[in-house]
Amino acid sequence: DVKVTQSSRYLVKRTGEKVFLECVQDMDHENMFWYRQDPGLGLRLIYFSYDVKMKEKGDIPEGYSVSREKKERFSLILESASTNQTSMYLCASWASAREQYFGPGTRLTVT
Amino acid sequence: QKEVEQNSGPLSVPEGAIASLNCTYSDRGSQSFFWYRQYSGKSPELIMFIYSNGDKEDGRFTAQLNKASQYVSLLIRDSQPSDSATYLCAVNTDNRKLIWGLGTSLGVNP
Repeated sequence: DVKVTQSSRYLVKRTGEKVFLECVQDMDHENMFWYRQDPGLGLRLIYFSYDVKMKEKGDIPEGYSVSREKKERFSLILESASTNQTSMYLCASWASAREQYFGPGTRLTVT
Repeated sequence: QKEVEQNSGPLSVPEGAIASLNCTYSDRGSQSFFWYRQYSGKSPELIMFIYSNGDKEDGRFTAQLNKASQYVSLLIRDSQPSDSATYLCAVNTDNRKLIWGLGTSLGVNP
């Protein structure tokens, strides 16, 4: 019963490319989040959205943008990928404290 | 700067023992507290959350919250090798945003 899916498990891109990471949830949740996770730095919030077309910056939004045109889909965009954006990207969907799920993650490598 | 701190470990316990994981937080306005388990190479999954001072039990897991001392702990009873993972503590102060600890690595030895 997959609840949150991400478009790719592994992705390799070149410096300067525009990168799209997709996240889809099938639970009709209003809140969706994009994190990156790096060793020694933990989970850091990039952006979140609490409704269609609504978004708020997290702690590290620089170099990223997001799009939420439909409730089930939350996209993360790297405008011009750089090597310091090599990371594990995790999408999460949240309805309540009890009902929250992470996607499987996308490991992005920028060369 | 709001912070959540955890001992990175690794914490090693024998099978069947109680594993105790601790987390402290800096913001006294924190309202809800979460424990997640993350297996190597996988994404975090919610184990428990707690709002009120005291204990909350769910199967082999007990979350303990002490707001006066600003710590929250997770006890795992009858630890199993399958409990070997990194345990993440997260704290909610701003309704939608969580502040995360770096996690404690737990190993349960058969």
